[in-house]
Amino acid sequence: TQLLEQSPQFLSIQEGENLTVYCNSSSVFSSLQWYRQEPGEGPVLLVTVVTGGEVKKLKRLTFQFGDARKDSSLHITAAQPGDTGLYLCAGAAETSGSRLTFGEGTQLTVNP
Amino acid sequence: GAGVSQSPSNKVTEKGKDVELRCDPISGHTALYWYRQRLGQGLEFLIYFQGNSAPDKSGLPSDRFSAERTGESVSTLTIQRTQQEDSAVYLCASSLGPPSGGAYEQFFGPGTRLTVL
Repeated sequence: TQLLEQSPQFLSIQEGENLTVYCNSSSVFSSLQWYRQEPGEGPVLLVTVVTGGEVKKLKRLTFQFGDARKDSSLHITAAQPGDTGLYLCAGAAETSGSRLTFGEGTQLTVNP
Repeated sequence: GAGVSQSPSNKVTEKGKDVELRCDPISGHTALYWYRQRLGQGLEFLIYFQGNSAPDKSGLPSDRFSAERTGESVSTLTIQRTQQEDSAVYLCASSLGPPSGGAYEQFFGPGTRLTVL
């Protein structure tokens, strides 16, 4: 069973602060995705990373895939209230075929 | 609409009753997934359909859970003899094709919130 552990579970910060969310596993993943979910809605894909060491930037969000493809991080610069939501990482192991394993999520609240 | 739709949006039922949840995927998407999300938690994989292949049912928690999909269209998730621990949001997602290592984006519906009294 592949497990993805996210930390922190909850994060409450002020507008303008920076933050990093971590996603760790003892398993190797062929790819890893980050989603954001708002209340009453389904998750929406932010990014997919597939290469060990890969870094992708999406405006103020920076995603990194670990060299060993076992971990990932999401860094948000100058957080805004609109960034509030549940951030989920999801990994696909080479042996799991179709299945995505989701982490428990990080609930981020950005206060104005 | 262009997105994944699910119905009903909310379902309240009594313990022991059967429920059916419906998912309409994006047209042309051959892959369809069902997940369960308990309050404040991540997504738990339930079942995956890909075209006319046999579904991957390995995530279904018990034989009370079953799902069907007609071709590449609508899917229904059925929970028989519901229990209070079945209370959760049930999410459906579709994607263009087999994940090929998870690279295909999954588009999620808004979910059905099931409450078992």
